[in-house]
Amino acid sequence: GDSVTQMEGPVTLSEEAFLTINCTYTATGYPSLFWYVQYPGEGLQLLLKATKADDKGSNKGFEATYRKETTSFHLEKGSVQVSDSAVYFCALSDSNAGKSTFGDGTTLTVKP
Amino acid sequence: GAVVSQHPSWVICKSGTSVKIECRSLDFQATTMFWYRQFPKQSLMLMATSNEGSKATYEQGVEKDKFLINHASLTLSTLTVTSAHPEDSSFYICSAPLGTGDRKTQYFGPGTRLLVL
Repeated sequence: GDSVTQMEGPVTLSEEAFLTINCTYTATGYPSLFWYVQYPGEGLQLLLKATKADDKGSNKGFEATYRKETTSFHLEKGSVQVSDSAVYFCALSDSNAGKSTFGDGTTLTVKP
Repeated sequence: GAVVSQHPSWVICKSGTSVKIECRSLDFQATTMFWYRQFPKQSLMLMATSNEGSKATYEQGVEKDKFLINHASLTLSTLTVTSAHPEDSSFYICSAPLGTGDRKTQYFGPGTRLLVL
């Protein structure tokens, strides 16, 4: 079945540091790929998505590129802020069935 | 944009009682909704697919008699945790898809935190 593997956390960075959270996937067919963010005590928020190979999703300074050849969708941000502290989930979705498969999540803490 | 709500956001109940959680798509219709469960500091695990007008489809290992799902209308799905026990304490999240093909996007509810005493 489908699966998503995320870089293990937690990740602790200083403000303005560069962020990379690795994500690789296994899927049949051509899934859509997503990054979600979950702030403490809250539900999931869609951060960005890409629906086909070589697409780049971007939002709030974060970006990720759908790499079919390496089955990856790594999340990057050039300069993190304290407010970026949250749990980040990589996920894929079968466009037909619609259900999502999530990675284990990576906790990011940004210190001033 | 599309919004999915859940009610209640928090519920505390005694062991042995049943708890109903509602998931609503506020400005769009959804023939399918999904229910996930999230344990502390863990990922979301799909429990079941709720289908409007037909039976829910449960993932392997999820007890359908324990977690009753009813998709009453195109904007409402309910999850009832029957005879709840402390091990059912968790964060329950629903989602509803909007769009088709590459444009299909899952919209997640804010979650319901259940604590069974």
